[in-house]
Amino acid sequence: QQQVKQSPQSLIVQKGGISIINCAYENTAFDYFPWYQQFPGKGPALLIAIRPDVSEKKEGRFTISFNKSAKQFSLHIMDSQPGDSATYFCAASDGTSGSRLTFGEGTQLTVNP
Amino acid sequence: GAGVSQSPSNKVTEKGKDVELRCDPISGHTALYWYRQSLGQGLEFLIYFQGNSAPDKSGLPSDRFSAERTGGSVSTLTIQRTQQEDSAVYLCASRLAPGNEQYFGPGTRLTVT
Repeated sequence: QQQVKQSPQSLIVQKGGISIINCAYENTAFDYFPWYQQFPGKGPALLIAIRPDVSEKKEGRFTISFNKSAKQFSLHIMDSQPGDSATYFCAASDGTSGSRLTFGEGTQLTVNP
Repeated sequence: GAGVSQSPSNKVTEKGKDVELRCDPISGHTALYWYRQSLGQGLEFLIYFQGNSAPDKSGLPSDRFSAERTGGSVSTLTIQRTQQEDSAVYLCASRLAPGNEQYFGPGTRLTVT
């Protein structure tokens, strides 16, 4: 059972544009929602994370929007740059399972110069 | 400081052989996770170690997979009688304490021929 669904699978954006990636989850026990960025040949690196007590979190050009009632959260990358080209994974965890992460399928982002 | 390291970075093995993958977590991190990333798919949880507690093995796909963590530090993931479907990138992550970020290693790419 896929507990975290991510879309789109791939995304192409022009430099300076806004990249938007969406995720939906099923398990209402999830209480931590991170986004990871992965470059080829590297392990995932935490980009930004949110807990369900807030609806939005912004760090630089990266913003998470969280909708608890809809069980959805999204990543917005403002002023996208070619260096942002990578695979992005949303994830979720709950404190009762050792904080193990359940990942979405990933989105391959390409930012054209 | 040093991050999570994994060895080997690449491993090619013949079907039916046993393989061992090693993870060196960040010093002082009490929690250690193994995930598997298959081609074109998201990351799948395998096993979780927390201090001296019994590991959470609920993600291991079959009894051919096992892992141990010695002295609360280094971990080894062993796959016995490898099959072609075991081909994937095996990622290790460590975490300092509950609620903290998981830091990923670069992974071991396993190819079973």
